[in-house]
Order: sequence, then C-alpha cells, then structure tokens
Amino acid sequence: RKEVEQDPGPFNVPEGATVAFNCTYSNSASQSFFWYRQDCRKEPKLLMSVYSSGNEDGRFTAQLNRASQYISLLIRDSKLSDSATYLCVVNIGTGGGNKLTFGTGTQLKVEL
Amino acid sequence: DAGVTQSPTHLIKTRGQHVTLRCSPISGHKSVSWYQQVLGQGPQFIFQYYEKEERGRGNFPDRFSARQFPNYSSELNVNALLLGDSALYLCASSWTGTETEAFFGQGTRLTVV
Repeated sequence: RKEVEQDPGPFNVPEGATVAFNCTYSNSASQSFFWYRQDCRKEPKLLMSVYSSGNEDGRFTAQLNRASQYISLLIRDSKLSDSATYLCVVNIGTGGGNKLTFGTGTQLKVEL
Repeated sequence: DAGVTQSPTHLIKTRGQHVTLRCSPISGHKSVSWYQQVLGQGPQFIFQYYEKEERGRGNFPDRFSARQFPNYSSELNVNALLLGDSALYLCASSWTGTETEAFFGQGTRLTVV
C-alpha cells in the first residue's frame, strides 16, 4: 500500500465549478500535512498547510481527519489558472528532520 | 533574493555513467533535501542534509550519494546510471529542516539513454 494515496484524475471541470480532491495516508505517526501545487514541468510549490480544525485560504479549503487518516482539498469557483497537479503531502519526520512523502498527484484541468 | 538554484537544468547521460547534480539553497537556509520525481509520480525523498550531516535517507540504492558543503550547497551523485534513473531531480531548502515548509528549486531533468 502506498504511504499517500490520491486519485490521479484528470479532473476536467468547467470554469466556476467546485471541485474536491481526497487523499489518504497510511502512517499514523505523520506529523504535518500539506497540499502542494505543481504546474507542468515546474517545481512543486506549497499551496497550504492542513489542520484538523480545517483551514481556508480564499477559494481553497483544506481539511484533515486524523482518525480516518484522510485529507481533503476543496476549490470553489475554479479558474483557468487553477489547472495544475495537486499533490497531497505528509511529513513523517526522520532523525530530527522532515521527510515529505508525496502522493502521485491529482491533475486538474479547468475549461472554458 | 535568489531562490533555490539547481544546475544543470537538463542533462543527458548514457547508461553506466556517473552524474553530479548541484543545488544552492536560499541564503540563510542550512538544510537541503533531494527528491526524485519520475514522470507521472509524486516526488520521492532521497536524502536530507543539515549542517553537512545526513539527517535522513530514503529507500534508494547505494548508487545514490550526496554531501553538503560548508556554504550549505549540496551535490547529489548517482553512479552506474540506469534507464530508470531518468527523472526530475528536485532540491528543497529550509532553515533547519524541521520547518513545515520547504522551498523547491526548478529541478534538474536527467535523461539516461
């Protein structure tokens, strides 16, 4: 079983739609959680951290359920510029440092 | 301020050769991590270094090695290249390696033929 699992998509949605991505992780010792965004042939960039209380940043809402080991990302009012791959990331930690474990990514295509 | 810089940006090597990839972290950052991203997959952790000491190692063969220099820059070395080593190699830096956010460089795209 992969440490972080995501639906690879692609998700093709019209502009203005609401889209939700889900992710599960297997290591219950995971310490922190993130969503990264990666544009085609570019490096990953942090989109937002994810907290159990849920957190929102503009059109983006992230949620963590530690009991179910489940992470979600909701994008409202999708824009063409949201087209990218969204990576679910878990920090397991190793020897006092961070070990970021990435899912395979979910590809989003927002269309006119 | 310069972000994380990696060199070269692209590289083509032949099976069996050796390659060295380089990374300069953001000024003031003392930790560097290396990741391998194969096409269609998420990045996979290879190594983390902090203050020139290896702090973590992923599940990669001994053909992969790395080091960090006194100026906190880092090299990733891969010996006896295989076709399966073709990937985007990403370097990430942070202040101490224990923060929640790591900043990635643009990566080195390695093709092994």
